[in-house]
Amino acid sequence: DSGVTQTPKHLITATGQRVTLRCSPRSGDLSVYWYQQSLDQGLQFLIQYYNGEERAKGNILERFSAQQFPDLHSELNLSSLELGDSALYFCASSPSGTSGSLGWTDTQYFGPGTRLTVL
Amino acid sequence: AQSVTQLDSQVPVFEEAPVELRCNYSSSVSVYLFWYVQYPNQGLQLLLKYLSGSTLVKGINGFEAEFNKSQTSFHLRKPSVHISDTAEYFCAVSSNSGYSTLTFGKGTMLLVSP
Repeated sequence: DSGVTQTPKHLITATGQRVTLRCSPRSGDLSVYWYQQSLDQGLQFLIQYYNGEERAKGNILERFSAQQFPDLHSELNLSSLELGDSALYFCASSPSGTSGSLGWTDTQYFGPGTRLTVL
Repeated sequence: AQSVTQLDSQVPVFEEAPVELRCNYSSSVSVYLFWYVQYPNQGLQLLLKYLSGSTLVKGINGFEAEFNKSQTSFHLRKPSVHISDTAEYFCAVSSNSGYSTLTFGKGTMLLVSP
């Protein structure tokens, strides 16, 4: 158990809908990272938040957005869903995550993931 | 831009045999390198990372990897595998200068049989 929790575990929805995935980091961790894992694209980094602020952005679509709240939990919002958005979405957390490249030296602790199925 | 190539999508091996999972990267700047493991139906777990210093990095569960700058490789090795090592292994890279993200390879499925 990494200490990172994600809800829900499974989500089934229809095309065009909007969903919210939730992540609670390990106690004391300030950074949250979101990843998408699909058969087509493999594992892709989406976005990083550090202490409430966006820190790094990867291959995140404009239809997707995220935020980190004062209690450090994070939400990933996916809108106008398409079939191709079906994937496993992971959240990870790390202790610091200072700007740019330095953040990646942290060990990231991954949650169990949310499996999204878009029908 | 950076990229990672994991040359084998699947590696079958017998229990107690040695194994090497290959990873090559491409980057125009110096890099940090990582190996993660994903057990069935679980999230990823860091096995080891190379940040600087010794090119031979030891990780958890008896795994080690060697950073070879001239060959732009970071191969993962274990001298004797167990059934419980059956999992998917991901190599990842980030640059150590300027703005960077983390780029993963496609993964290598290690299948250990008795």
